Amino acid sequence: GQQLNQSPQSMFIQEGEDVSMNCTSSSIFNTWLWYKQDPGEGPVLLIALYKAGELTSNGRLTAQFGITRKDSFLNISASIPSDVGIYFCAGQLGGNKLVFGAGTILRVKS
Amino acid sequence: SAVISQKPSRDICQRGTSLTIQCQVDSQVTMMFWYRQQPGQSLTLIATANQGSEATYESGFVIDKFPISRPNLTFSTLTVSNMSPEDSSIYLCSVESANYGYTFGSGTRLTVV
Repeated sequence: GQQLNQSPQSMFIQEGEDVSMNCTSSSIFNTWLWYKQDPGEGPVLLIALYKAGELTSNGRLTAQFGITRKDSFLNISASIPSDVGIYFCAGQLGGNKLVFGAGTILRVKS
Repeated sequence: SAVISQKPSRDICQRGTSLTIQCQVDSQVTMMFWYRQQPGQSLTLIATANQGSEATYESGFVIDKFPISRPNLTFSTLTVSNMSPEDSSIYLCSVESANYGYTFGSGTRLTVV
């Protein structure tokens, strides 16, 4: 089946640093989504991308839908302790189904 | 976003028994989905819950093991049948709506002993 390759698997950064993570696939997606999951909670949508080349920001978060429609990145600027958690990319194929990446665990040193 | 209430939030069950998980949405939605998240893993789609008809299951998931009901546009249930320790996971309800995109419930953490 379709797979998303998400990297890095985990990151341990200093507070205030910028963070970047990305997802790639051999498949073309119609939509790219970025979620954050805190312990004991379901994933919360951070950013949704609908067009190839689209660059969208949500506060300190910026994400882009790759031109080829096979990749996306998420940047977090000036990280803070509450940014810790697991970040997932997800791609939507036809038929409303989502495929998820393996996740990036973010840990922030204060 | 759409507000999703999922019950129970967690449970510990004996092997061989079944557990039914409920998902209630605060507005009518066309698409409802059930996902499984095994410990330390990503999310895998189990099935799409179709209103008024049988659910559409993904490869590796079958109706006998994971029966799903969708009696209306705001409610669905997932049953995990004849449980074994390998079924210990977080089960998540998700909806897709035109206004809010894809939203997830807080999940049901299931431990089978």
